[in-house]
Amino acid sequence: TQLLEQSPQFLSIQEGENLTVYCNSSSVFSSLQWYRQEPGEGPVLLVTVVTGGEVKKLKRLTFQFGDARKDSSLHITAAQPGDTGLYLCAVSNFGNEKLTFGTGTRLTIIP
Amino acid sequence: GAVVSQHPSRVICKSGTSVKIECRSLDFQATTMFWYRQFPKKSLMLMATSNEGSKATYEQGVEKDKFLINHASLTLSTLTVTSAHPEDSSFYICSATSSAYEQYFGPGTRLTVT
Repeated sequence: TQLLEQSPQFLSIQEGENLTVYCNSSSVFSSLQWYRQEPGEGPVLLVTVVTGGEVKKLKRLTFQFGDARKDSSLHITAAQPGDTGLYLCAVSNFGNEKLTFGTGTRLTIIP
Repeated sequence: GAVVSQHPSRVICKSGTSVKIECRSLDFQATTMFWYRQFPKKSLMLMATSNEGSKATYEQGVEKDKFLINHASLTLSTLTVTSAHPEDSSFYICSATSSAYEQYFGPGTRLTVT
């Protein structure tokens, strides 16, 4: 069973600050997705990364996939209250559609 | 595009009754659908994988006779919680995929068993 640890578990920062959250796996995976989930709703896909070392930017969000394809980070610049939510990474293995979700980071941006 | 709906969004039922939850892909054909369960302040836990026209594949520890899954078409999968008990109360989320990489999630169904 693949373990997918996210850190920190909780993060509360002031509006305008920068932050980074991490997703670490015990093994290599073929692709990784980042999702954001708000209370009472389903997760919303933010990005998919498939290539080791890949960096993707989505406005103020920067996603990095580790060279060894075992870890990833999400950096948010100038956080806004609308960034508040549960951030989940999820991985899939080669030839398998199943996703394994990380433990999640609950982010709160204080206005 | 890639919209997935769930119905109902919330349901309250009495202990011992059965509840059916629908998951639909609205603008694409889903080769595979997945059912997840999420406890408060926790991550998603995969319950089963559903392929159209075949039996669902359940994850270890998930009772297939309690959580019945039917995938009648490429746009519809249903999850029936049979003989529900309070411990079945949870947030149930489905997802649908037409490719190997990306899953699109429904808005979830909050089940409360009294």
